[in-house]
Amino acid sequence: NAGVTQTPKFRVLKTGQSMTLLCAQDMNHEYMYWYRQDPGMGLRLIHYSVGEGTTAKGEVPDGYNVSRLKKQNFLLGLESAAPSQTSVYFCASSYPGRSYGYTFGSGTRLTVV
Amino acid sequence: GQQVMQIPQYQHVQEGEDFTTYCNSSTTLSNIQWYKQRPGGHPVFLIQLVKSGEVKKQKRLTFQFGEAKKNSSLHITATQTTDVGTYFCAGPRDPMRFGAGTRLTVKP
Repeated sequence: NAGVTQTPKFRVLKTGQSMTLLCAQDMNHEYMYWYRQDPGMGLRLIHYSVGEGTTAKGEVPDGYNVSRLKKQNFLLGLESAAPSQTSVYFCASSYPGRSYGYTFGSGTRLTVV
Repeated sequence: GQQVMQIPQYQHVQEGEDFTTYCNSSTTLSNIQWYKQRPGGHPVFLIQLVKSGEVKKQKRLTFQFGEAKKNSSLHITATQTTDVGTYFCAGPRDPMRFGAGTRLTVKP
């Protein structure tokens, strides 16, 4: 019963480098989300997906791209990292219409220097 | 911007005291969810409220949804050190927007 798994857990990037954060869920959830969490600002939605092959922008999409080629995976890419992208990134998944809420991964702590 | 506003931002209580956090929206919420995040952890779903005026209880936690479905509250009776963490509300519908959270600290 893994739930939502995020890799890596920690990463330090230099400004301008690129990386991909991986999110995998084994609950057959239709919807998947990427949030970032910064002190005092709660969770802000970056991108989300309502099904395999579909993605949509959230509140703070600039500087990020996503892909959902397989139902169980949702990738978050940073093409050219900036210090403003230093944050904790959470992936979540859910099944529409159910009252179970979102299941979150354990997060990726990213520092851009 | 955020569609749900939470107050207070911080709350420090003595163990055994009660605690309440409030969530407000300028628009009607189709539903509202509450989450708890322990220090260093990830958000964990607590409950979802859907009906106007709904009240749900989980042991010492009481959740309320306002009659106009524009506000909600979470009340903890007789706090314990295990209640420490940040409590978030989220709404109004998929994809959920989260409030900034209320960080609760409990002094033994």
